[in-house]
This record gives sequence, C-alpha cells and structure tokens, in this order.
Amino acid sequence: NAGVTQTPKFRILKIGQSMTLQCTQDMNHNYMYWYRQDPGMGLKLIYYSVGAGITDKGEVPNGYNVSRSTTEDFPLRLELAAPSQTSVYFCASSSWTVLNTEAFFGQGTRLTVV
Amino acid sequence: AQSVTQLDSQVPVFEEAPVELRCNYSSSVSVYLFWYVQYPNQGLQLLLKYLSGSTLVKSINGFEAEFNKSQTSFHLRKPSVHISDTAEYFCAVIPKGAAGNKLTFGGGTRVLVKP
Repeated sequence: NAGVTQTPKFRILKIGQSMTLQCTQDMNHNYMYWYRQDPGMGLKLIYYSVGAGITDKGEVPNGYNVSRSTTEDFPLRLELAAPSQTSVYFCASSSWTVLNTEAFFGQGTRLTVV
Repeated sequence: AQSVTQLDSQVPVFEEAPVELRCNYSSSVSVYLFWYVQYPNQGLQLLLKYLSGSTLVKSINGFEAEFNKSQTSFHLRKPSVHISDTAEYFCAVIPKGAAGNKLTFGGGTRVLVKP
C-alpha cells in the first residue's frame, strides 16, 4: 500500500532556482492538497484540487503553481525560490465519501532555500 | 472563514500521567473536527474525528476527545501516556458543505513524554 508518495524527501535550493515537488497517490482519490508546515504555525494550505483538470488557490499560494493532469499526480512548482519558501511541504489526498472522511498525508519534503 | 487555536504549543508530561491538549475553533458554520498526530520526521496520521452523533469520540490507542458546541472546543485527553506518545498533535476542522473539503489546522501542540 503506497498511499501518498512525495519526492524528493529533502532538497536544498539556491535563491532564484526552480523545482517541482512531486506527489502521487494510488487510492483513486478526487481531492488532493498541498500544505506547508512552519514551526508553531501548523499547516497552511497552498493549493488544492477537486479532480483532474481542476485546481484552486488555498491560503498561501503566492510563489507556487500546480497542475492536475491526472487523478494520481499533483505536482507543486516553485518558479523563483525565495528564503521564505524554506519549509516542510506535505501533499494529501482524500475521497471524502461516507466511508472515507479522512485525508491521507505523504511523508513530506523538507526544502531549504539558501 | 475558520480558525483553530491550540492553546499550548508544548506540553511536557511524565510517563503514565494524564494529558489534555486544548483546541478551540471559530466558524460561522457547523464543522467536522479532527485530531492528527505527527511522529518525528513523518507525515500526519488521523488520530480521531467527530462528524456527528455522540460528542465523545475515542481512538484505538487510548486517546479521547469531546466536542463541546457551546464552547466551540474539541479537547484531546489520554488518562495515561506512554513514551511512544511523544509527537506533535494537530487539531483541524472542515466546514460542513463547503467546496473542496479543506482542512484548517491549529498551530500544533508538541507533547514530550518523560520517563
């Protein structure tokens, strides 16, 4: 049972570089989410998707982009990395049905921008 | 919009002692309530949830939480903690009927169980 898989687990970026955080789920969930976790701040929603081809902004979308071309994949793109984007990023998915009212999280990607 | 406040950022507790983690929320609509646990260097796992019915919900590993609508609270308790309960705990809500089913999290409470 793979669940939600995120790659890479760790990454160091220089200011101005770009990268894509990968997220894939094998549970056929419609809903997918990207959160960032900063100490003492809990998790903040960056972007979310309710199905393939549909994405929307969350609470802190600036500096990020997403796409959802398939049900399984929901990559997060950082175009011009900034120190403020140093964080731990979590991808999550869910189907939110009567039988499943739980979001499943990946193991996280720890990103440092220097 | 919703907000979640976890009143304690850190809670040190001795093994076999009880622990209570406080969670209060603010919302203009009814919400579903969740507690998630994050063990060191791992993702979040669902601990327990309140959707409807009995206001007292329990997990398989001895935690329980009680929904109090009048106080807009969902405090988490365990009567006797183990070393393995050392983790960060997050309270979260989802507004009923809202598009996207987006979780709003509190700031987290770090529990350190001491021998």
